[in-house]
Amino acid sequence: DAGITQSPRHKVTETGTPVTLRCHQTENHRYMYWYRQDPGHGLRLIHYSYGVKDTDKGEVSDGYSVSRSKTEDFLLTLESATSSQTSVYFCAISKGQGGTNEQFFGPGTRLTVL
Amino acid sequence: GQSLEQPSEVTAVEGAIVQINCTYQTSGFYGLSWYQQHDGGAPTFLSYNALDGLEETGRFSSFLSRSDSYGYLLLQELQMKDSASYFCAVRPSPPNDYKLSFGAGTTVTVRA
Repeated sequence: DAGITQSPRHKVTETGTPVTLRCHQTENHRYMYWYRQDPGHGLRLIHYSYGVKDTDKGEVSDGYSVSRSKTEDFLLTLESATSSQTSVYFCAISKGQGGTNEQFFGPGTRLTVL
Repeated sequence: GQSLEQPSEVTAVEGAIVQINCTYQTSGFYGLSWYQQHDGGAPTFLSYNALDGLEETGRFSSFLSRSDSYGYLLLQELQMKDSASYFCAVRPSPPNDYKLSFGAGTTVTVRA
């Protein structure tokens, strides 16, 4: 257990509405990640952070933005949700200064966009 | 970029041995990881290979051949609780070595 929580755990929203998902960690790790998981695609990286206010895009970043104003919180925002963003979203952290091969995942957020 | 291929499904009986193969194409490579995910749960780390050869962790072993761009996860003495999805993941070489690229996953079903 790496002390990672995600909120909300489930959310149903309508197309065109903004949505913010929160990832919170209690161990002050530098690297944090947001993934989405869809059937047949495994885990795909949306955005990641390597420090406060330091973020970068992953492979499926279109339609998403992130912010990290504190070490412990990494927020994922869907500015205008679309049905294609219906997915399970996982936050993860990587321990150590240089990142590691081992990532620890939060419990996930199931998002449904109607 | 990176691409990984692994079988989508494997079914086996309790006590059997299952091998999940993973082939990868990558522009830079640091190592290969394996993760397990039970239905409805979060992925959890199983093993990591940075060097060629076999790494054993209890009933699970992982193998890597860099020259063949190939690895596998071996599950021995299968138990019902091993029914889960298994993902291989490539760790790229620096400067992107803090990011992982995951395969689509292999669903393992263990039958009594």
